[in-house]
Amino acid sequence: GAGVSQSPSNKVTEKGKDVELRCDPISGHTALYWYRQRLGQGLEFLIYFQGNSAPDKSGLPSDRFSAERTGESVSTLTIQRTQQEDSAVYLCASSFIQGLLNTEAFFGQGTRLTVV
Amino acid sequence: GESVGLHLPTLSVQEGDNSIINCAYSNSASDYFIWYKQESGKGPQFIIDIRSNMDKRQGQRVTVLLNKTVKHLSLQIAATQPGDSAVYFCADFTRGGGSEKLVFGKGTKLTVNP
Repeated sequence: GAGVSQSPSNKVTEKGKDVELRCDPISGHTALYWYRQRLGQGLEFLIYFQGNSAPDKSGLPSDRFSAERTGESVSTLTIQRTQQEDSAVYLCASSFIQGLLNTEAFFGQGTRLTVV
Repeated sequence: GESVGLHLPTLSVQEGDNSIINCAYSNSASDYFIWYKQESGKGPQFIIDIRSNMDKRQGQRVTVLLNKTVKHLSLQIAATQPGDSAVYFCADFTRGGGSEKLVFGKGTKLTVNP
């Protein structure tokens, strides 16, 4: 596709259930980011994938959060045993990085997660 | 640790005036900076970027200024229009030490009054 695609756009889940969020980056983009944005707040870094390097997981808030990426394509963010504090918009972005060359990150529209 | 912060959380201007949104960053190793605009219910959209070897870059109605001495970044919007109303984020990209990440500030909400 032409841009970063995220699905679902909205997800309502019961507390304690697991959820899986999907991100399809722009084709050819080597880097992929996940961010969390609570209502009225800034973007909180969660995890970063770049090529075949080990991902930077330093932003994951707890071991209930995990993410995978298949090569340089689709990524999934999984939240286990969801809690109400997990309610937020989860944004994915991708960019092209090669050596010292990097482009801006392009964002998807986000997945709005509501835990009830 | 690294952080990118904004001096003002809200900014209100009259249509037609120029707007200036400021951002401070703390990581002197940052080499790439980006301004994003986020409208309600949408993902952030790229506005303009600047690399650390530059101190000014101009786009259409927007100018970004980088002062590495004081680690300060600003976004200037000329002849602000109602469509410019949004939250603006600066982001700071740092590479090295096996880690690269794009870190965002908290954002400034710009309101343009007709």
